Amino acid sequence: KAGVTQTPRYLIKTRGQQVTLSCSPISGHRSVSWYQQTPGQGLQFLFEYFSETQRNKGNFPGRFSGRQFSNSRSEMNVSTLELGDSALYLCASSLAGGGLSPLHFGNGTRLTVT
Amino acid sequence: AQSVTQLDSQVPVFEEAPVELRCNYSSSVSVYLFWYVQYPNQGLQLLLKYLSGSTLVKGINGFEAEFNKSQTSFHLRKPSVHISDTAEYFCAGAMDSRGTSYGKLTFGQGTILTVHP
Repeated sequence: KAGVTQTPRYLIKTRGQQVTLSCSPISGHRSVSWYQQTPGQGLQFLFEYFSETQRNKGNFPGRFSGRQFSNSRSEMNVSTLELGDSALYLCASSLAGGGLSPLHFGNGTRLTVT
Repeated sequence: AQSVTQLDSQVPVFEEAPVELRCNYSSSVSVYLFWYVQYPNQGLQLLLKYLSGSTLVKGINGFEAEFNKSQTSFHLRKPSVHISDTAEYFCAGAMDSRGTSYGKLTFGQGTILTVHP
């Protein structure tokens, strides 16, 4: 079974631009979560989607948004990029998204904002 | 507040020696605990999980962890490490008052395990 696929692997953007990251979950998984990983803040939860609905959200500004499609694929968008948005963005999928359903992570998208 | 604390930021060890990576959690509600490993330029791979039942949990690559409710700990152990175990290890918990956290894990800050020959 194929794992979680994130595209692209690397992105370089300039301040003020926007960016869209893509995530394809493991087949049969309906929950997709997004995380930001930085050296200073570690791993921080962005949001979670299940059946095209956002069920949970972390403490990030409104510039960070996401959506999920009917095939469970998900996209994450960051508008008006800031230097501090440089990070590894990880997508994770699970069967149901609850605590009993472990998360399976992709290899991430490395975003660099200059 | 719900939190996960990894007590060591770096752990150096020699090959074939035993290792313990320490993790404490703080939660007043149901908790599910996980250990993940991250190799350079990769995502996180699930090592093991504690959901309920036996407090000794066995995972992949010879790792195991023990859930200790009285000490609120979930330490990761391996009796004999290999060079290939060099990586960063994350302890994480899923916990909230509804008993499910909808995709949200609270992570510790990570422990870099370096295995020397």
